[in-house]
Amino acid sequence: TQLLEQSPQFLSIQEGENLTVYCNSSSVFSSLQWYRQEPGEGPVLLVTVVTGGEVKKLKRLTFQFGDARKDSSLHITAAQTGDTGLYLCAGGGDNYGQNFVFGPGTRLSVLP
Amino acid sequence: DAGVTQSPTHLIKTRGQQVTLRCSPKSGHDTVSWYQQALGQGPQFIFQYYEEEERQRGNFPDRFSGHQFPNYSSELNVNALLLGDSALYLCASSTSPGEETQYFGPGTRLLVL
Repeated sequence: TQLLEQSPQFLSIQEGENLTVYCNSSSVFSSLQWYRQEPGEGPVLLVTVVTGGEVKKLKRLTFQFGDARKDSSLHITAAQTGDTGLYLCAGGGDNYGQNFVFGPGTRLSVLP
Repeated sequence: DAGVTQSPTHLIKTRGQQVTLRCSPKSGHDTVSWYQQALGQGPQFIFQYYEEEERQRGNFPDRFSGHQFPNYSSELNVNALLLGDSALYLCASSTSPGEETQYFGPGTRLLVL
């Protein structure tokens, strides 16, 4: 069974600070996705990484896929209150990314 | 262009009852997946429908069943409800079963008393 762990579970920071959250597994994934979920809404896809060592940037967010495709990190620079939410990572299996396994998420609160 | 829609938004049932949740995929999407998200956890894959058939299934009992209609909309049925079935049920759609990018609806929050 493929499992994903995320750390930290909770994170509360001040606006303007930088932060990094992690997604780890003992399994290899064909791809890994990061989502943000806000209360009362479904998860919204932020990025998909597929190549070991890949780094993708989305404005103030930087995503990295580990060389062995077992882990990933999300770094946010100069956090804003709008970044508040639940950050989920999801690993895709062999079947072209279907049957995604989600981690439990990191709940981020950015305080003004 | 409407995104993924789900109904109802909230639902309260008692143990032993049956429930049906509905999902309309994003325009142009023909594949629907259902997930269960318990409080404080990430979504867990229930099953995926394509061409009106269940293509993949996660680790959920037979009490969980589904259906996809010719217009690609889908239903999730849960029989003999248990307290542990209380969760947010999410529907996601994509352009094909092999497409990694899926769009989630807002979910249906089910409370079983």
